[in-house]
Amino acid sequence: EVQLVQSGAEVKKPGESLKISCKGSGYSFPNYWIGWVRQMPGKGLEWMGIIYPGDSDTRYSPSFQGQVTISADKSISTAYLQWSSLKASDTAMYYCARPMDTGKNYYPVDVWGQGTTVTVSS
Amino acid sequence: DIQMTQSPSTLSASVGDRVTITCRASQSISIWLAWYQQKPGKAPELLIYQASSLESGVPSRFSGSGSGTEFTLTISSLQPDDFATYYCQQYNSLYTFGQGTKLEIK
Repeated sequence: EVQLVQSGAEVKKPGESLKISCKGSGYSFPNYWIGWVRQMPGKGLEWMGIIYPGDSDTRYSPSFQGQVTISADKSISTAYLQWSSLKASDTAMYYCARPMDTGKNYYPVDVWGQGTTVTVSS
Repeated sequence: DIQMTQSPSTLSASVGDRVTITCRASQSISIWLAWYQQKPGKAPELLIYQASSLESGVPSRFSGSGSGTEFTLTISSLQPDDFATYYCQQYNSLYTFGQGTKLEIK
């Protein structure tokens, strides 16, 4: 079974750093893009960026460039989303997402992680 | 980057109604458009891809059409399970979601 399993909920203070994870299983992890999607409380879906674990090619949506870092370790089939200095406005649910086909073209997402809730509050 | 605009933002309808949601792209995306359904507290689920292809397991009352910059999602006869929020997404150039359409019970 193809699965993405994300790390657990986090509660942090403004200014702290954070790295959340997304572990893929049941498929060839290096050969599929993995993306990250933000959903702020009561709001819509926002595409943050994407990484191709096979060669670490990483692409960010303009709104998130410089705000977060996406990385992956193909040896353990895990992708990461990290912040160096959290803000209250980073409070959201974060989903990892895998497109439906292999290779470097873009495809719609057919596999989603369960989501990681990040709460940033003093 | 490509902007996606959905309308309406909220739609009130009854079981059995036929409903249509529209999505417009800021530039041509050919047929590289998907539709997702999201229920509260859950991850989105893929309904339609390549503008009009039905994802496996999705009921045939869902259909999509369009190309270029204008797209529609139609639900032919609303069922109780269909009341949710719907998002379009372009995947022609990276990815962008529309702002969502909340389908409510009238």
